[in-house]
Formats: sequence, structure tokens, C-alpha cells
Amino acid sequence: QKEVEQDPGPLSVPEGAIVSLNCTYSNSAFQYFMWYRQYSRKGPELLMYTYSSGNKEDGRFTAQVDKSSKYISLFIRDSQPSDSATYLCAMSLNNDMRFGAGTRLTVKP
Amino acid sequence: NAGVTQTPKFQVLKTGQSMTLQCAQDMNHNSMYWYRQDPGMGLRLIYYSASEGTTDKGEVPNGYNVSRLNKREFSLRLESAAPSQTSVYFCASLQGAVNSPLHFGNGTRLTVT
Repeated sequence: QKEVEQDPGPLSVPEGAIVSLNCTYSNSAFQYFMWYRQYSRKGPELLMYTYSSGNKEDGRFTAQVDKSSKYISLFIRDSQPSDSATYLCAMSLNNDMRFGAGTRLTVKP
Repeated sequence: NAGVTQTPKFQVLKTGQSMTLQCAQDMNHNSMYWYRQDPGMGLRLIYYSASEGTTDKGEVPNGYNVSRLNKREFSLRLESAAPSQTSVYFCASLQGAVNSPLHFGNGTRLTVT
């Protein structure tokens, strides 16, 4: 079993849809939870991070962590074609970081 | 405003050839990392350097060597390339504060035939 599981998709939605991306993990010691966005032929860039259970909102993006279920989510509201990218979840313990495989998202105009 | 710079962007090698992937960061970060990214596998850590003068193995170090030349530069060497090393290689740096985010370069796409 992988330490971090993420559905690779691909996921295709119409513009304006609400998108839900999810990861599960097995190591309850992970402290920090992050979402990276990776455009085609580019390196990943940090989108959001959180270290506690609950929700964190930034514009159209909401990151949710449920430590009791070892489950994290990223919600994108009013999705735009510019949101088309691969989204990687990541979690770390003292700078030892583990990544999910990434979910490829396409938002169609 | 460059961040993390990787060279070359693309490379094709024949089995058994050697090459060095270069990485430099201009953010004065202490830690630097090399990852490989393969479909369905996510990012896997090859080697990292927590500070100038130190290097440590990651999850998949076999077939690779690294050099932390100075605080800015961290190179990855393949001594005898194998087809299994066909991948996209990413260099990343991190300021050093616990759980601070990684900053990535744009990758080197390597094909070994």
C-alpha cells in the first residue's frame, strides 16, 4: 500500500463546476498537508498548505483536512479553464515530504 | 527572479552513457532536493542536501550520485544510464524552516534508449 493515495483521474469538468480532489494517507504522524499545482511541462508550485484538521480557504480554493480519517481534499469553486493542470497532494513530517501521484484536471470552456 | 534553474531541459542518452543534471537556486535556501516523476508514481526523492557539504539518500538513490557544489548548486549524475532511468527529473529547494514549502525547477526530461 502506498503511503499517499491519490486518484490519477483524468477528471474533466465544464467551466464553472465545483471540483473535488482527494487524497488518503496511512501515516498518522504527518503534520503538514499541501496541495501543489503543476502545469504541463512545468515544475509543481505550492497552491495551499495547512497543518491542522479543518478547512482553509483562499479565494476559489478550499483545502480540507480530516486527520481522524486520514483524508485531505481540495475544492475548487467556479472552475476556470486556467485551472487545467495536475494537482498533487503532499504531506510532510519534519521536512520529510511524500507526494500523491497527482490528479489531472481539465476544465472545458 | 529566477528561483530554481535546471539544465538541460531535454536529454536523450544511450544505455551506458553518463551525464550530469545541473541545478542552481538563487533564493539562498539551505536545502536542495532531486526528485524523479514517473506516471502513476508521483514524485520520488532520489537524494537531498540539508545544507552545504552534506548529502543523503532518498527513496530511490540507486544508479545516481550527487554533489552539493556550494550553497547555490546541486548536481545529479548518472554514471551509466539505464532505460529505467527514463523520467522527468525535478530539482527543488527549501528555505530550511520546518515544513516550509518546496520550490521546484521546471524539470529535465531524460530518455534513455
